[in-house]
Amino acid sequence: EAGVTQFPSHSVIEKGQTVTLRCDPISGHDNLYWYRRVMGKEIKFLLHFVKESKQDESGMPNNRFLAERTGGTYSTLKVQPAELEDSGVYFCASSQGWRGSPTDTQYFGPGTRLTVL
Amino acid sequence: KNEVEQSPQNLTAQEGEFITINCSYSVGISALHWLQQHPGGGIVSLFMLSSGKKKHGRLIATINIQEKHSSLHITASHPRDSAVYICAVRRGSNYKLTFGKGTLLTVNP
Repeated sequence: EAGVTQFPSHSVIEKGQTVTLRCDPISGHDNLYWYRRVMGKEIKFLLHFVKESKQDESGMPNNRFLAERTGGTYSTLKVQPAELEDSGVYFCASSQGWRGSPTDTQYFGPGTRLTVL
Repeated sequence: KNEVEQSPQNLTAQEGEFITINCSYSVGISALHWLQQHPGGGIVSLFMLSSGKKKHGRLIATINIQEKHSSLHITASHPRDSAVYICAVRRGSNYKLTFGKGTLLTVNP
């Protein structure tokens, strides 16, 4: 079974440009999460989808970030326009579990390293 | 102050040594995760704990809910154990994880 995949693995863009990150969760996983690690800091939650619905987007830093999950399969995270402070590693994770399930495990993708110059 | 604190931040050991990484948290949780990230690699979930102790191979994870503390132990450490080990907690039925900053472990041959 394929794991969580992310594309691209690395993106280098200039300030003001647009970048779109993609995440393909494990097949059958309704829950999809985006996280971000900026240099020297801990990984932080961005948002959570259940199927195609945004369940929690409390971690999205500002309205330059737009996440979608059309059809409840893969998800995209668009940054427009990108700023220097957006540089970091963006992780996607997926899980199968039901709300409150103590056995729910999140499976992480390899991450996309975004560098904004 | 972070909700999740790990210690030490960096740890260097000789092959064969017993390793302990600690995680303390300040909020009520429903589960605690230990994750591993090799240099340039993705994040792998090692354990998910809500009580007691779990063992997988040379790795052991324990949690004390009353003391809000968890430890990850590695017995007979090996250079391939060199990685960043990350503690993350889940609160109630909320799915999102809150992470510690990670512990960079280097095991020398």
